[in-house]
Amino acid sequence: DSGVTQTPKHLITATGQRVTLRCSPRSGDLSVYWYQQSLDQGLQFLIQYYNGEERAKGNILERFSAQQFPDLHSELNLSSLELGDSALYFCASSSGRLNTEAFFGQGTRLTVV
Amino acid sequence: AQSVTQLDSQVPVFEEAPVELRCNYSSSVSVYLFWYVQYPNQGLQLLLKYLSGSTLVKGINGFEAEFNKSQTSFHLRKPSVHISDTAEYFCAVMAYSSASKIIFGSGTRLSIRP
Repeated sequence: DSGVTQTPKHLITATGQRVTLRCSPRSGDLSVYWYQQSLDQGLQFLIQYYNGEERAKGNILERFSAQQFPDLHSELNLSSLELGDSALYFCASSSGRLNTEAFFGQGTRLTVV
Repeated sequence: AQSVTQLDSQVPVFEEAPVELRCNYSSSVSVYLFWYVQYPNQGLQLLLKYLSGSTLVKGINGFEAEFNKSQTSFHLRKPSVHISDTAEYFCAVMAYSSASKIIFGSGTRLSIRP
């Protein structure tokens, strides 16, 4: 158990809908990362938050947004969903202070039908 | 900016044979280096990491990796693989700075044949 909790584990939704994925980092970790893993794109970095503020942005679509709350949990919002958004979405956390390791959650498998 | 290249998308190997999974990186600054493993239907788990010091790093499950600065490589090795090593392996880099993002390679699928 990595200590990173992601909910839900599975999500099936229709095209055009909006979903929210939730991540609770390890206790004390300030950095949260979101990654998308799909068969054709591999493991793509989406966005990173550090202590409530956006720190780095990767290949995140404009239809996607994220935030990190004062209690350090994070949410990834995906809207106007398309079939191609079907993927495994991972959250990871690290201490953020000269961090040398990220701990990953089990992922949320999103299926858009 | 940093980037990671995993030279082999798939590596088939017989059980008890040695294996090497190749990784090259590019960065204009010093980096930390990692290997993660993803078993089927699981999240990523850290195998080993290079921070500084000895260039030969030992990790879990009998894996080791060698950092070669001149060749900008960080290849993963195991002298004798087991069926349970069947998984996808990801090489990753992180720049030397606080709260830096982790960049992953495209992954290498290791399949073990009995």
